[in-house]
Amino acid sequence: NAGVTQTPKFQVLKTGQSMTLQCAQDMNHEYMSWYRQDPGMGLRLIHYSVGAGITDQGEVPNGYNVSRSTTEDFPLRLLSAAPSQTSVYFCASSKNPHTDTQYFGPGTRLTVL
Amino acid sequence: SQKIEQNSEALNIQEGKTATLTCNYTNYSPAYLQWYRQDPGRGPVFLLLIRENEKEKRKERLKVTFDTTLKQSLFHITASQPADSATYLCALDPGGSQGNLIFGKGTKLSVKP
Repeated sequence: NAGVTQTPKFQVLKTGQSMTLQCAQDMNHEYMSWYRQDPGMGLRLIHYSVGAGITDQGEVPNGYNVSRSTTEDFPLRLLSAAPSQTSVYFCASSKNPHTDTQYFGPGTRLTVL
Repeated sequence: SQKIEQNSEALNIQEGKTATLTCNYTNYSPAYLQWYRQDPGRGPVFLLLIRENEKEKRKERLKVTFDTTLKQSLFHITASQPADSATYLCALDPGGSQGNLIFGKGTKLSVKP
């Protein structure tokens, strides 16, 4: 199993550009989520999904869109990047978020100029 | 307001000693609490999960306690080694159907030889 994979590993954008951060898992997990990690702030939940076709907002959803058309994939879209979105983004998946391990991807380091 | 705090940003100890990390929370009644390890440039890795009805959980040199009266979890690493140097995150499950995790900011542990 590859676990949770994320692409790209690094990305630099200009303000106003759009992009999609990719996340995929091969463990057949229903629950997937996106976090951002900023210095001194810890991990903050952006969006999550409890299964294909179902998504919901987390703590900091503004400026981000998600969709979940398959169990395996959970892309995160930035429609118009802002410098405040400079961060490290982690995708995670689990079988049951209450009782099971959350598996994190390696992260995408995004810089918005 | 609801908060989860890890009391020390950094903890320096000598090899062989026991490291004790603290996680306090307010205004939550979590059913579960989890601890993760994060190395620089990598995603968090799950270590232990403890339920509200469990006082203590052990895994090899790791021990976690959960005191719902004090609203506190302690994470211990016995016989610490330089390879244990990393940032340790606590995360609680605030309950509800979604199972979103709320993360603390982490404690950076350095074990000196």
